[in-house]
This record gives sequence, structure tokens and C-alpha cells, in this order.
Amino acid sequence: EIVLTQSPDFQSVTPKENVTITCRASQSIDTFLHWYQQKPDQSPKLLIKYASQSFSGVPSRFSGSGSGTDFTLSINSLEAGDAATYYCHQNRFLPFTFGPGTKVDIK
Amino acid sequence: EVQLVESGGGLVQPGGSLRLSCAASGFSFNDYSMNWVRQVPGRGLEWVSTISSSSSNIYYADSVKGRFTISRDNAKSSVFLQMNNLRADDTAVYYCARESAYDFWGRGTLVTVSS
Repeated sequence: EIVLTQSPDFQSVTPKENVTITCRASQSIDTFLHWYQQKPDQSPKLLIKYASQSFSGVPSRFSGSGSGTDFTLSINSLEAGDAATYYCHQNRFLPFTFGPGTKVDIK
Repeated sequence: EVQLVESGGGLVQPGGSLRLSCAASGFSFNDYSMNWVRQVPGRGLEWVSTISSSSSNIYYADSVKGRFTISRDNAKSSVFLQMNNLRADDTAVYYCARESAYDFWGRGTLVTVSS
């Protein structure tokens, strides 16, 4: 099973700061890595697919990079509405797996 | 507008069964694979099952294999999850999600397994 490890677990950030969340896979998954944002009491929403492809309608301050085992989600100039938990997910190998999540809080 | 609406959740005793449904609209349903993902309240996300557009490929997490069955009815734009022999650790919100990258999600339906 591919294990996805996210860091940090939690980050408290002031508005307009930049945020970087990393996701590391236990073996190479090429670019079969997706990022989701989940706000409290809402379902997850796709931000980035296949490591770096922005999903339609997602603000351009969200971007993704990486391949193989190391991936990054970047949020430029964080806004108050970006407070959420962010998950990475791989569908290169069965069983498909998710990272444990990174909670981003606004100071 | 893509919409996914889950239904069928509820309270069930251990060993019981439930059938979840996900009604899709706003897109050509028979062109997309569909997935079930669950989340224990306050916890992380867990992939449960995937079915390809024509039902030719079906996959399950080991935790549900042999107990859950995914199916779809393309004529009715719906995907289903038959859950048998339910256990307490199946308690979760169950989401359906579209396509390999889970580009759209429903709001979820809560399944509670308790005596």
C-alpha cells in the first residue's frame, strides 16, 4: 500500500502569507497525485489534479508541483476563506490512498 | 451544473445491511468512473470503492472487500453501494465522487452502525 505522508500536520498562518504543504509517497506514483480542500462541515473539493494541473474555477493562488515521491501544494497570499484541511490523494496504485491531512488555520 | 446527491444512510445494527445511492446530474454519466469515499466524522478520508464507466472494472478497499458491492445504472445516472455485514468501524459519512481525480463530490450520507 502506498503511504502518503503530509507535513506539516497543522499550520497557523496570517492572511497574505504564503503556505507550502508537502506530500511524500512511500514509492513513486509518477504524477497520479491530487489535492483537495475540505472546509468544516463541507465535502472535499478538488484543487489540483495530476500533481500540477489546476482544476477549473480554483483560484490561481493555488498551485501544485512534484512527481515521483515528493509533491507540494502552494497557496500564495493566503486568504481568510482558505482555512481548511488539505488532503493529498494517489490513484496510481491500488488501494488508492489519502494523506492524513494538513489543517490550515488563520491567525 | 454537476450534481451528486447521496442517499440511503442511517442507523443500522451491527451485522445489518444498507444500500447507498448516488444520483448524478449535469453531465454524461456513462462517460465517467465513479467512486465511494468515506470519512469518520473528525477524521481523514478513506477510499472505499471504484467502478469504471461500463462497470467492467471494479475495485474495493480490503476493509470492505467481500461485504460491500458497488454497482451502477447508467440509464438512471446512479451509482450504488450495497453494504452487508456492517461493523461499528464502518460508521462514517459516505461520499460519492466523480472520475479518477474525484473532481466533484456529493454532500455525503451518514451511516451509523450501532446497537
